Amino acid sequence: GAGVSQSPSNKVTEKGKDVELRCDPISGHTALYWYRQSLGQGLEFLIYFQGNSAPDKSGLPSDRFSAERTGGSVSTLTIQRTQQEDSAVYLCASSFELAGAEQYFGPGTRLTVT
Amino acid sequence: GIQVEQSPPDLILQEGANSTLRCNFSDSVNNLQWFHQNPWGQLINLFYIPSGTKQNGRLSATTVATERYSLLYISSSQTTDSGVYFCAVGDGGFKTIFGAGTRLFVKA
Repeated sequence: GAGVSQSPSNKVTEKGKDVELRCDPISGHTALYWYRQSLGQGLEFLIYFQGNSAPDKSGLPSDRFSAERTGGSVSTLTIQRTQQEDSAVYLCASSFELAGAEQYFGPGTRLTVT
Repeated sequence: GIQVEQSPPDLILQEGANSTLRCNFSDSVNNLQWFHQNPWGQLINLFYIPSGTKQNGRLSATTVATERYSLLYISSSQTTDSGVYFCAVGDGGFKTIFGAGTRLFVKA
């Protein structure tokens, strides 16, 4: 594809439900990143995947958050038992597999937990 | 970890004015990017500039890595320049740290 795509663009869920957010990176990019942006704030790093290496999960805020990447391409971020404080925009980025490479962002998924 | 500070936090300009946005970082970095987040939330790549100077139309950027800062210059500002400008740095690996941003509003 031409750019990073994310789905859904908007998600409203009830507190306590699980949600899955999807990211399709730019073709040929083997590094993939997830960030969270709360209203009016900067971006908070959550997790990155580098090729076939184990992901760096150091930014995940709690054990309710997990992410996987299938086939070295598409990634899914899962939030279990959602809480109201999970409401935010979740952004995905991809890059070539080189530390410090330029990252390109998708449009984000706006998650609202009611 | 690396700290990234951006200034000013907010900026209001009259259309046609010039401005300078600053990004300070606390340690050596392997990457520095400037982004513009438009009113719809999309992050647009402006510059990938771990060092040196680059120009793209009315925008230019300079990074002085040895002194741990970067500057983004906007000349002849337009209303479409409004939004939030983020500086982001790499920690030497794959982790990226964002500053809090500069919120720019350009008045017609």
